[in-house]
Amino acid sequence: RKEVEQDPGPFNVPEGATVAFNCTYSNSASQSFFWYRQDCRKEPKLLMSVYSSGNEDGRFTAQLNRASQYISLLIRDSKLSDSATYLCVVPGTGGGNKLTFGTGTQLKVEL
Amino acid sequence: EPEVTQTPSHQVTQMGQEVILRCVPISNHLYFYWYRQILGQKVEFLVSFYNNEISEKSEIFDDQFSVERPDGSNFTLKIRSTKLEDSAMYFCASSELGGTEAFFGQGTRLTVV
Repeated sequence: RKEVEQDPGPFNVPEGATVAFNCTYSNSASQSFFWYRQDCRKEPKLLMSVYSSGNEDGRFTAQLNRASQYISLLIRDSKLSDSATYLCVVPGTGGGNKLTFGTGTQLKVEL
Repeated sequence: EPEVTQTPSHQVTQMGQEVILRCVPISNHLYFYWYRQILGQKVEFLVSFYNNEISEKSEIFDDQFSVERPDGSNFTLKIRSTKLEDSAMYFCASSELGGTEAFFGQGTRLTVV
């Protein structure tokens, strides 16, 4: 299994739709997980942190399934401004605390 | 809101030249990182830095690369002799604690010609 694996998409959805992205990770010792958002040619920006079974912030919900080593991100009532690439990120468990990024899932929200 | 700042935003250099990319991490953060992203590819870890020393580095971070924290605020990445394949966006990041959320600068786009 790859360190962090995501479906690359693109996901093309109409405005107002609900969309879900999945991510699997290989390191069972990882304790925390992050979703970042990246706009074209911009820096990754933190969207959500997941430290326990899940987290909710407005229209965004992240869920963690440790047994299956699986993280999901749900976006409800999607807006045009949600169009971006969503990056699943898993910290390493070595001393350097590096972040390992997935390839990202591209979302396009259309009128 | 505190942020990570990077300079320059874009650097063009000739193959074989040395470049220094500069970063000012968020002031109360203890961990500093460099990542790179080749156009169309994923964000890749280069190096992490804590307590004035490298704590982890990737295979990409070979002898041509070095990092330094020359004073209390700056964090630099030096590439000694640039290659065409070093062309990428280089992101600096910092985090308060290890393994926690990292915040990224806007990046330096390095073009090696």
